[in-house]
This record gives sequence, structure tokens and C-alpha cells, in this order.
Amino acid sequence: GAGVSQTPSNKVTEKGKYVELRCDPISGHTALYWYRQSLGQGPEFLIYFQGTGAADDSGLPNDRFFAVRPEGSVSTLKIQRTERGDSAMYLCASSYGQGSTDTQYFGPGTRLTVL
Amino acid sequence: KQEVTQIPAALSVPEGENLVLNCSFTDSAIYNLQWFRQDPGKGLTSLLLIQSSQREQTSGRLNASLDKSSGRSTLYIAASQPGDSATYLCAVRRVETSGSRLTFGEGTQLTVNP
Repeated sequence: GAGVSQTPSNKVTEKGKYVELRCDPISGHTALYWYRQSLGQGPEFLIYFQGTGAADDSGLPNDRFFAVRPEGSVSTLKIQRTERGDSAMYLCASSYGQGSTDTQYFGPGTRLTVL
Repeated sequence: KQEVTQIPAALSVPEGENLVLNCSFTDSAIYNLQWFRQDPGKGLTSLLLIQSSQREQTSGRLNASLDKSSGRSTLYIAASQPGDSATYLCAVRRVETSGSRLTFGEGTQLTVNP
């Protein structure tokens, strides 16, 4: 079956612009996660959805970052007034969300470059 | 706050060698630990997941162990191949009843030379 997909694969924008990054999870997965990965670092947690609601958004760095998942499937990560420090790989993952064997499956990521 | 450390940061070995990657974590109250592989510019592929009650998991040439009390995990790769070249990340999930965040180490960049 299809895995997690993310669009666009690459996004180049100018400082101060608004961007949206999209994630399509695996069908049937109720949990969805966003992570951010800077070059040479491990991914860092941003936000976690269970269904339509954000169960944990404590990883969002500031109020310029916002994410939605209105129908409990596709999610969009929105970044306002982008800054050069926002340049990173943005990774999305999904899982069934239950049990100790629950595995998060990652998408290919969106590489964001803010000039 | 959970911190995850991976040693070494980079490793270069000749083809055919057996090798061990190390991962340590500061808070032993984990739900499970996962090892991932990441190719350059790509997403993450899950290799092995060890539940907190387990000591090890095996998949093909890969074997991962977990010592929760000491906060350590190792990933053993047998008979390494050039195709194993990638960055290997370990991640821990805190104790929860449902899905929650993974805390990652910074990874070990592995190069297997033909």
C-alpha cells in the first residue's frame, strides 16, 4: 500500500513569506506527527495529532508555526513570516497510535530553504 | 528532559566487517526504542523496534539490544555491505498509553567501503 507522502519535496521561499507543507498519512493511521530536522542533526518533534485534534503541540518553536488536520487525515504545516533559521527538512510520520509496538512511518520529507 | 546520544558520530569500515553502533538515553522510563536508517536527503526507514520489556530484536543481518536500566541500546550489523552506508538514528518513545513523540539522537553516519 501507499506510504506517507509529502508535498512539495522541495520549497524555496524568501524571508518573510508564508509557506504551507502538506502531509498525506497512511490510510487508517489515526496518529500524525511533524518533525523538523536541521542538517547533521536528528529530527526534533514539532506537533502530534490524534484524529483531528492536536494532542501535543509543545514542540512548535513559536507562534509563526501552526498545523491543522481538519478531517483527521491530511495535515498541513503552516509557517508565517519565514526566517532563514526555518530552513530545514520537515518530516511527517503516521502510525496507528496504539500499543507498545506502534511504529511511526515517515514520509520522504519537504526540504524548506528560506533565502 | 530525555536526551539521546549516539556514538560514534561517524564510522568508516571495510566491506564485510561486523560493527556496533551505540545509543544512550538519560531517562529509562521509555515505552520503546526504534532504530532508523536515513539515506542522504531522504526520509527515515524503520529498521527495528524494541519494546521496553524486550532485550533484543533481530532482522536479517541486524540485531538491536536494549538495556533499559542502564539507558543503553546497540545496533549490531553483521557482514556489512556498501549498501548499508547511511545515517543510523535511534529514537526513544516516552511512557504513554497512546502515540507520542519520539526523541532522536543525532545519528551515526556509516560508510562501508568496497
